Amino acid sequence: SYVLTQPPSVSVAPGQTTRLTCGGNNIENRGVHWYQQKPGQAPVLVVYNEGDRPSGIPERFSGSNSGNTATLIISRVEAGDEADYYCQVWDTSTQLVVFGGGTKLTVL
Amino acid sequence: EVQLVESGGDLVQPGGSLRLSCAASGFTLSTYDMNWVRQGPGKGLEWVSYISIRSTTIYYADSVKGRFTISRDNAKNSLYLQMDSLRAEDTAVYYCAREHLTANAFDIWGQGTLVTVSS
Repeated sequence: SYVLTQPPSVSVAPGQTTRLTCGGNNIENRGVHWYQQKPGQAPVLVVYNEGDRPSGIPERFSGSNSGNTATLIISRVEAGDEADYYCQVWDTSTQLVVFGGGTKLTVL
Repeated sequence: EVQLVESGGDLVQPGGSLRLSCAASGFTLSTYDMNWVRQGPGKGLEWVSYISIRSTTIYYADSVKGRFTISRDNAKNSLYLQMDSLRAEDTAVYYCAREHLTANAFDIWGQGTLVTVSS
């Protein structure tokens, strides 16, 4: 089955740019979606198909996808961005949805 | 307001059954494919099941196949998850999630309902 690998934790200072990675075999050939989840809340879609944003999501959130790594880029990080972030794909070979293990983003 | 509201979570003994419901409001359920996603205590997100608009296509995670049944009633704007032969490892918050119209992404989530399987 398809596996998505995310680093467990990342730290960043306010105002900086952070890049959260999601590794998968030939992931560049797949649509990758990213979710933000704050404690006690449901996940929120922040980026889909690598770089599209749902309405209401700030332009500070963007994405890229190349080779075996997809990346969620958060610019001008704010304290309110502190959350868990999950990547997700649809595995067409097995018809299953796959989530990465999640990255806990800490804003210093 | 576009909203999903889950209900039906409870404490149940191992081997027991439970039926979760998800009520949609602010949009027409019959326009969207739908999913269930769960999250165990302190764990990450785990996809559970998918159902297409007219229920013609259904998928399950291997961990629940043969035990869980997804269904929907578009006339009632509702999604369901029948859970049988429950195990301790099924303990989780269960979310219903709407699938984006043009991507296999989940653009609207409910607030979740807690299922606890314990004796």
